[in-house]
Amino acid sequence: GENVEQHPSTLSVQEGDSAVIKCTYSDSASNYFPWYKQELGKRPQLIIDIRSNVGEKKDQRIAVTLNKTAKHFSLHITETQPEDSAVYFCAASLFGNEKLTFGTGTRLTIIP
Amino acid sequence: GAVVSQHPSRVICKSGTSVKIECRSLDFQATTMFWYRQFPKQSLMLMATSNEGSKATYEQGVEKDKFLINHASLTLSTLTVTSAHPEDSSFYICSARDGQGSYEQYFGPGTRLTVT
Repeated sequence: GENVEQHPSTLSVQEGDSAVIKCTYSDSASNYFPWYKQELGKRPQLIIDIRSNVGEKKDQRIAVTLNKTAKHFSLHITETQPEDSAVYFCAASLFGNEKLTFGTGTRLTIIP
Repeated sequence: GAVVSQHPSRVICKSGTSVKIECRSLDFQATTMFWYRQFPKQSLMLMATSNEGSKATYEQGVEKDKFLINHASLTLSTLTVTSAHPEDSSFYICSARDGQGSYEQYFGPGTRLTVT
């Protein structure tokens, strides 16, 4: 089955700087890669996703890049703000299967 | 976006008792729902895929007789933790996709189960 690895497990960034979180996946058939933000005790919230037919997607301060050949994808957050502090999870799935395999999570702390 | 609810949000039960958790899609129909378990400071681990009108598909290592799943309608799936033990204490989250061409899965708010 699919295996998703995520790094780093913790990340501290000065407010205003950029944060990058990286994930690798094992199943070359996976074609959908969402990123979720989860605050303590709350549900995961989708912040951005990318399908395998594109290499990059951007939404304001958040961007995701995908390298299908290397089987890795990354989340980029620019101009970080204190409210960006949370745990971020990457995931991978095969559309039609719908099962999401999650990475191990990154605890992001924005230092004011 | 689509809304998924869960009930209860928190439950405390005694060891040996059973607990039922409901997951509802409020404004869409979901032929498939998913149940996850999340231990503190850990990732979401898929327990099972709940299929409307048929048996659930359990992930390896998940006891189907302990975690009973019923998906009786297109908007409701239930997870029953039978003969709960303290090690079953966890955050249980369901999710569903509305199947209208979107890849996005919508998560419920989760249920924190504490077994004493």
